[in-house]
Amino acid sequence: QSALTQPPSASGSPGQSVTISCTGTSSDVGGYNYVSWYQQHPGKAPKLMIYEVSKRPSGVPDRFSGSKSGNTASLTVSGLQAEDEAEYYCSSYAGRNGVVFGGGTKLTVL
Amino acid sequence: QVQLVESGGDLVKPGGSLRLSCAASGFTFSDYSMSWIRQAPGKGLEWVSYISSSGNSMSYADSVKGRLSISRDNAKNSLYLQMDSLRAEDTAVYYCARKRGGTFYFDYWGQGTLVTVSS
Repeated sequence: QSALTQPPSASGSPGQSVTISCTGTSSDVGGYNYVSWYQQHPGKAPKLMIYEVSKRPSGVPDRFSGSKSGNTASLTVSGLQAEDEAEYYCSSYAGRNGVVFGGGTKLTVL
Repeated sequence: QVQLVESGGDLVKPGGSLRLSCAASGFTFSDYSMSWIRQAPGKGLEWVSYISSSGNSMSYADSVKGRLSISRDNAKNSLYLQMDSLRAEDTAVYYCARKRGGTFYFDYWGQGTLVTVSS
């Protein structure tokens, strides 16, 4: 069982927006602004999409955005494109427990 | 460009040992903390360990504490993971990843190396 809870699946049609949630506790997501999101295509290494809740690394499209409220963080993908279909993982700093990940959400572009 | 290349993954019997390596290039290795993260077949990501840029400070997940040991050689631009007393549940692809000191995200990842623990 993963430390952070994500829905197993999410979907949307091209051009639509989809939001993926990531729920933790006050000891991880709620306690620090160190939430990050990773995209993983099958057979590939994860890629950093969002760090420190809402910051985008260079090269990541601005269609990807992050936010946090209390113990729940969210990743929103706007203007869905076929190449966005992938597994998405959230993670958070968790103090003495190091870094914890969510179980992953498979995003399907219909 | 930043490159991280893992090696050393293999099939090993329960209770056995293995040493993983990660060769870094394209950045000043000694300026960055580094981490190992694993992914069991068909499962999610699990943070394993990280080490400070100097190698003086390490942290481990409870699931591997006392059995896995992270180290680095800044002169060789290399990160290591010594794996002892291996268990079936350690079977996974092991990724090395770059982590900027004082932060808790991983901005570059290698392609991973597969460790299989089975009799």
